[in-house]
Parts: sequence; structure tokens; C-alpha cells
Amino acid sequence: EDKVVQSPLSLVVHEGDTVTLNCSYEVTNFRSLLWYKQEKKAPTFLFMLTSSGIEKKSGRLSSILDKKELSSILNITATQTGDSAIYLCAVTGGSNYKLTFGKGTLLTVNP
Amino acid sequence: GAVVSQHPSRVICKSGTSVKIECRSLDFQATTMFWYRQFPKKSLMLMATSNEGSKATYEQGVEKDKFLINHASLTLSTLTVTSAHPEDSSFYICSARGDIAQYFGPGTRLTVL
Repeated sequence: EDKVVQSPLSLVVHEGDTVTLNCSYEVTNFRSLLWYKQEKKAPTFLFMLTSSGIEKKSGRLSSILDKKELSSILNITATQTGDSAIYLCAVTGGSNYKLTFGKGTLLTVNP
Repeated sequence: GAVVSQHPSRVICKSGTSVKIECRSLDFQATTMFWYRQFPKKSLMLMATSNEGSKATYEQGVEKDKFLINHASLTLSTLTVTSAHPEDSSFYICSARGDIAQYFGPGTRLTVL
């Protein structure tokens, strides 16, 4: 059974801090790892990482996939209160496109 | 691009009634859509995979006769919660598989009285 573990489960920082969120996975025939941000409603897509694209960056957010360690990190620099959300990591594997989600990291950025 | 809509955004119904939730991919075609359920402070739980033109594939423990899924076109999937009970109250979210990733709808908050 595919498994995704995220850490920490929750994190409280001050505006301007840099945070690193972790995700480790066990999946049969790994296909991709995805990061989503969930605020009050449904998740919004951030990044997808695959064997051919192990590093992604968008503004203050960046993510790296370590296929050897079966893990990924999501970095957020110069955090803002608007970054407060649950960050979800998910993986796909095998021939289907089902996402297996971790439990998420609740990030709170205080002013 | 890659916008997914859901309707309604919230619904309150009486116990025993049926509720239909629509999921549409607005600017892309999706042969595969997914239905999730999320309880407060919990992660998303996949209920079923909806394939256009064929029967849905349900996850273990999800009653297919209770949660009817129809994927009649490349842009529309519907989830019908039949004979709803208070324990069916939850946040239901759909996603559509696009060219890069799964894109999620805004979710539907179902409350069964």
C-alpha cells in the first residue's frame, strides 16, 4: 500500500522566516510527487516533481525531489501571513493516476 | 487554465433525500475525474475514480449504491449521495486529471439534518 508521511504536522513561524516542509513516501512504481496548498476550500496545485523534473521554483516557493531518499522538501522563503495554510504532499504510482495524500502540514505565519 | 468547478458549493438536506453534486472541468477535457471526501482536520480520502464512458472504480469501503457516480462527458462528472444520512455530512471534493496534475474543484459542503 502506498504511503506518504509529512513532517512536521504543524508549524508556527513569524513573517519573514524561511520554512522547510518535509515529505517522505513509499510507492510502487513511482510516477510523480505533487504539492498542494489548501486554505479554506479545496487544494490548489503548487508543483509536480518527477524523475525528469526534480526541482521546481515559483517565486518564494521551491521544491526538490530526492529519489534516492524517497523524499521531497517544500521551501518557502520570506513567509507572509497569506502563506498560512495546510500544505499537502501526494504521490502517484503504477498505471493509474490516483493520488495518495499525506496528512499535511499546517503552517501558521504570524505577523 | 485548468479550472474545475463544483456545484453546489454547499447544500443542506433532510435525512433520506438524495443530493447531486456536479464537477466540471471548465477549460480542459478530463477522461478521469476523482471524488474525495474530507473530514475536519483530516486529509482527503479518495472515494472513487470516475472514467468517462465507463463505470466508476470505488475504493474499498465505499458503497457504490450509496454514492452514485456518472461521468457522462469529458467535462462533467456527477456524484449523487442517495438516501443521505447525518453521517454523510462532509466536505466532498472532486478533481480532474489534466495534462500535468490533478486539479481540484472548490468542494461542496454537505450537511444532512
